[in-house]
Amino acid sequence: GAVVSQHPSRVICKSGTSVKIECRSLDFQATTMFWYRQFPKQSLMLMATSNEGSKATYEQGVEKDKFLINHASLTLSTLTVTSAHPEDSSFYICSAGGNPYEQYFGPGTRLTVT
Amino acid sequence: AQKVTQAQTEISVVEKEDVTLDCVYETRDTTYYLFWYKQPPSGELVFLIRRNSFDEQNEISGRYSWNFQKSTSSFNFTITASQVVDSAVYFCALSEAPGSARQLTFGSGTQLTVLP
Repeated sequence: GAVVSQHPSRVICKSGTSVKIECRSLDFQATTMFWYRQFPKQSLMLMATSNEGSKATYEQGVEKDKFLINHASLTLSTLTVTSAHPEDSSFYICSAGGNPYEQYFGPGTRLTVT
Repeated sequence: AQKVTQAQTEISVVEKEDVTLDCVYETRDTTYYLFWYKQPPSGELVFLIRRNSFDEQNEISGRYSWNFQKSTSSFNFTITASQVVDSAVYFCALSEAPGSARQLTFGSGTQLTVLP
């Protein structure tokens, strides 16, 4: 079946630093990938839609200069949290669209900003 | 705009009881997809089912069953003879229109606790 990986699974960084999260589709090509954020005991909220070779589309309220998304190939999208602050601590989940009717989710990355 | 409502924030049952998780959705599209996902404490989403808007047949998979009713815009999920391993957060989600990968709109989730 379709597999999506994320790296790292957990990361702790200091306030003010940047951290990059990778999302890879391992056995299929994904022209579209999605980035979600989930705060504790809350639902998944879409942050942005990442399209290979073009700029990401951000949801309202998500700062594009703070959450940099790059989708340079059909199997890799990266999310960089720049100048991270404690309020950015969250669970970040990516998904990749393998076919028009399904999305495959990565295992998530737990970010803690101290 | 699409919306998914899971009114039950938390449910607690004793093992072997049946439990139904409710999901009500709103969409203007006539073509859409409904999903249920399980999120155990590890955080990884586990896909349970996808149903398109033209298929109102109920589905059963082992102890799991789903009741899709377009007339009430509901897509409820029942676990029969619950087990402790069923304890997790369950999300209902909606995706509008095929043609290309679409983002999912998630409900707020229902925390299910199955007590031994």
